[in-house]
Amino acid sequence: QKEVEQDPGPLSVPEGAIVSLNCTYSNSAFQYFMWYRQYSRKGPELLMYTYSSGNKEDGRFTAQVDKSSKYISLFIRDSQPSDSATYLCAISPDSWGKLQFGAGTQVVVTP
Amino acid sequence: EAGVTQFPSHSVIEKGQTVTLRCDPISGHDNLYWYRRVMGKEIKFLLHFVKESKQDESGMPNNRFLAERTGGTYSTLKVQPAELEDSGVYFCASSQDNGFEQFFGPGTRLTVL
Repeated sequence: QKEVEQDPGPLSVPEGAIVSLNCTYSNSAFQYFMWYRQYSRKGPELLMYTYSSGNKEDGRFTAQVDKSSKYISLFIRDSQPSDSATYLCAISPDSWGKLQFGAGTQVVVTP
Repeated sequence: EAGVTQFPSHSVIEKGQTVTLRCDPISGHDNLYWYRRVMGKEIKFLLHFVKESKQDESGMPNNRFLAERTGGTYSTLKVQPAELEDSGVYFCASSQDNGFEQFFGPGTRLTVL
């Protein structure tokens, strides 16, 4: 069983819609949760991180963590074509940063 | 401020040859990480430097891989001899004070023929 499960998609949504992404993880020792965005042929770009259950908002992005269910989510409001990318969840057991990545979900926002 | 840079962007070598990848972290970042993504798989952790010391090298696949960070600045990752299964994209990342704000480079795409 993989440590982090993420549906690879693709997920296609119309412009302006809410994009909903999620990951599940198996080990309750994981304490830090990150979301990265990756455009084609580029490196991953950190969007948000959190280390507690609940919601964290940054502009159009909301990250949600439910440690009891081992479930993390990312919501993108008012999606734009420029949001088309692969979104990767990453988790870590501690602050040292040995990140474990999900497979990444490809998102396509159509005008 | 310059981001993480990696060189070369793409390398094509034959099985059995040696390749050296280079990573220049963001200035002032003590933490430097190497990851790789092989075809169809997730990005996997290889190792973590704090300054010039290896903090965690549990992800290094075998002794054909050698990472160094002399002087605590740039890092190199040498593969010798390269095998077909080493093909993939090698990412470097750096962070300043903690491990959950890592900034990634664009990656080096390695193809072993």
